Amino acid sequence: GGIITQTPKFLIGQEGQKLTLKCQQNFNHDTMYWYRQDSGKGLRLIYYSITENDLQKGDLSEGYDASREKKSSFSLTVTSAQKNEMAVFLCASSHRGTEVFFGKGTRLTVV
Amino acid sequence: QEKVQQSPESLIVPEGAMSSLNCTFSNSASQSIWWYQQHPGKGPEALISIFSNGNKKEGRLTVYLNRASLHVSLHIRDSQPSDSAVYLCAVSMDYAQGLTFGLGTRVSVFP
Repeated sequence: GGIITQTPKFLIGQEGQKLTLKCQQNFNHDTMYWYRQDSGKGLRLIYYSITENDLQKGDLSEGYDASREKKSSFSLTVTSAQKNEMAVFLCASSHRGTEVFFGKGTRLTVV
Repeated sequence: QEKVQQSPESLIVPEGAMSSLNCTFSNSASQSIWWYQQHPGKGPEALISIFSNGNKKEGRLTVYLNRASLHVSLHIRDSQPSDSAVYLCAVSMDYAQGLTFGLGTRVSVFP
């Protein structure tokens, strides 16, 4: 088995601030994902990466940047935090269409 | 773009009863359909997946897929209080592009 570790677990930022979320997986999976989960809106794909140094935009990529410098890690940057924004960011990974495994999430609050 | 709708929004069942959840999707060319379980404060965890028309049984779980009607259902036999969670239906079009999720069904099992 493996595990996906997301840091930090909780993130409080200020309006306009650039914020970075980190994710590590030890499954040795090729593909990694960032999803955003909002109450009432479900999970929406922000970015995904099918291999090291690859980046693909999802439906919700505006306002975010991503980086995949190593196979095991995938980071997400909120380029300018929006006031009163509150959401959970979930990192996930999979191998060629098999089960997608999720981390426990980073809970973002912007004050 | 794939659309996934789940019903009901919430379900309350007594311990020992059957929980039945429904999901419709928009594209018959979808690859696999997955059901995930999510407890509060945790990431989603895969329960069962199905690709071919028909049914699949794993333990207390049975899933039915009808591609012609774009419908999939999940049935949990002998529901337990520990089954109380949000259940997410997710559809895969292209394994690399991740999953498209429904909004979920909140299941509450009372003793």
